[in-house]
Amino acid sequence: ETGVTQSPTHLIKTRGQQVTLRCSSQSGHNTVSWYQQALGQGPQFIFQYYREEENGRGNFPPRFSGLQFPNYSSELNVNALELDDSALYLCASSPATRTGELFFGEGSRLTVL
Amino acid sequence: AQSVTQLDSQVPVFEEAPVELRCNYSSSVSVYLFWYVQYPNQGLQLLLKYLSGSTLVKGINGFEAEFNKSQTSFHLRKPSVHISDTAEYFCAVIGSGGSNYKLTFGKGTLLTVNP
Repeated sequence: ETGVTQSPTHLIKTRGQQVTLRCSSQSGHNTVSWYQQALGQGPQFIFQYYREEENGRGNFPPRFSGLQFPNYSSELNVNALELDDSALYLCASSPATRTGELFFGEGSRLTVL
Repeated sequence: AQSVTQLDSQVPVFEEAPVELRCNYSSSVSVYLFWYVQYPNQGLQLLLKYLSGSTLVKGINGFEAEFNKSQTSFHLRKPSVHISDTAEYFCAVIGSGGSNYKLTFGKGTLLTVNP
């Protein structure tokens, strides 16, 4: 059984640029969610996708957007990067019926200079 | 909305000693509760969960937690820790209603096990 994989693992961008992070969900999981984990903090919910539709969103501005594809993989896009966007971005997948039981990838560490 | 408070940011202990990591939550609705563990440079892994039933739940690696509704707590315990338990531990909560989707995490407790 293949777990959740994310790419890239590390990347550096400058303020104002755009970034795309990618996630392959675990086999059999049709729900994907994204979390932002700033240094020394717990993960913060960005949004969740179920069957290619966004079905929940946290307190993040519209410049954070996403997609889910028919194979349940997902992308997180962040436009107009700000210094405070520097964080570990975690993707998690789950079968829709197992509420709160998430399977996380190892994350993409974004540094904005 | 829910919130989680982890009362200790760091807990140092010696190997084979018992440990308790404290977690309190706030919610206006019934909740499900979780503990996740994050080893260095890795993603989070589910340690254990409380959905309903017995208030004492057992998880992986010898950890257990007790749900106390009156005190709105979900403390994590292990009777004897190992060096390999050194990690960041996160308590998390989600509303048990049908439309829930947002897992709310605490800020984490860094458990350091010393020889």
